[in-house]
Parts: sequence; structure tokens; C-alpha cells
Amino acid sequence: DTAVSQTPKYLVTQMGNDKSIKCEQNLGHDTMYWYKQDSKKFLKIMFSYNNKELIINETVPNRFSPKSPDKAHLNLHINSLELGDSAVYFCASSQQGARLPDGYTFGSGTRLTVV
Amino acid sequence: DQQVKQNSPSLSVQEGRISILNCDYTNSMFDYFLWYKKYPAEGPTFLISISSIKDKNEDGRFTVFLNKSAKHLSLHIVPSQPGDSAVYFCAASASRGAQKLVFGQGTRLTINP
Repeated sequence: DTAVSQTPKYLVTQMGNDKSIKCEQNLGHDTMYWYKQDSKKFLKIMFSYNNKELIINETVPNRFSPKSPDKAHLNLHINSLELGDSAVYFCASSQQGARLPDGYTFGSGTRLTVV
Repeated sequence: DQQVKQNSPSLSVQEGRISILNCDYTNSMFDYFLWYKKYPAEGPTFLISISSIKDKNEDGRFTVFLNKSAKHLSLHIVPSQPGDSAVYFCAASASRGAQKLVFGQGTRLTINP
């Protein structure tokens, strides 16, 4: 029933590991996003995909690689995890062209802790 | 360089009184502003928005004011209720370029009975 679902909700892992966070939306939206909430609590955009095409790629280390197999899914893969990657990662979706806030729906977040 | 700032990390208000949350921005290209509300372990949910062609938008107990010359907006909640206790994020977007929201760091509002 959940509109935007992320898994896992919590992720604790060691430095140097590779991990993935999955996101799925059932709203029929064509645009999906990854946001990172850092230690200072700012929500910052990382990536945006529209119909599986990357349209926003902020200054993010290339250890982070988004993958969009279809417009309902946007996964985030992180290689060689570092302590500074610890944060809460939010997935969101919207309908491109729809005037905000008509389609900006967030998932409940994934708390990543790197030890 | 944080383009949207909420300088009060927390605010405590008595139930029934007015809550005023503030937000400042620096980018003059922003033309649409939003407030999101976030409960613990949940994602932000949309609360209210305002376009730069307006200076006020009201929805029930929630009113957003925009002062373009000062690059400042505020959210008023009247009367405040215990269920309003949450973190409130201010966000902004520019009509040009890709659709994205720039968020502030949030203000934690606590409504005391």
C-alpha cells in the first residue's frame, strides 16, 4: 500500500563494504530522486531520474551509482563505504511537468551507519 | 553554500498559541516555496506551498508568508496542537532547469500541553 517504499530501513555496515538501497514507487510517477540528509540535517539532492534517464547528478562521489531498471524503481549502490557516508537516505518520486508539490512523495528513509 | 536556511534548530510553543517557523533563502531564481513536515522514522510530507507571485497562502491552521525583498518566508500555525510536533523543512525550487527541491535543515517544533 505504501506509495514510495525503501529497503532496508536500517543498514549498519563496515567501512570498505559495498551496499545497495532499493526504492520502489507505485504512484505511476515518471521521476525519482535520491536525497541525503547529512549530519547537519540538510536534505540534499543526489540524483534524479526521469523515465530511466539520469537528469540530475549533483556533486556526489562516483562511489555512488544509481540504477533505474524501470521508471518505478531507483536503486542506489554505494561502493567502498566510508564513515562519512553515514546518513539518512531518502527516495522520492514526482510526475515531471507537474507543478510542485503535486507529485513530490518521499519514502520513509534508510538510515545508513558505517562503522 | 546553503541556499535555504532555517536558523532555528528547535522551537517550543504552548498548545493553542501561534507557532512561527522561519526560513531564509539566497537564490533569487527560486520562485516556488514549500513547507514539509516530518515525523520520526517517516519521510517528509507536503504541508503548504507558495508561489513567488503571492505573498501569502493559507490552508486551515497553516499560513505561509513570503517576503521576496528580504528573501524570507515563514510558516504560521494557529492554533498549535500537540500533533503539530514534528520537524518542519522549508524547501525552494526554481522554474528554470531540472525540477528539484533545495531544502533547509529543518526546525524541530514541540507543542507543549
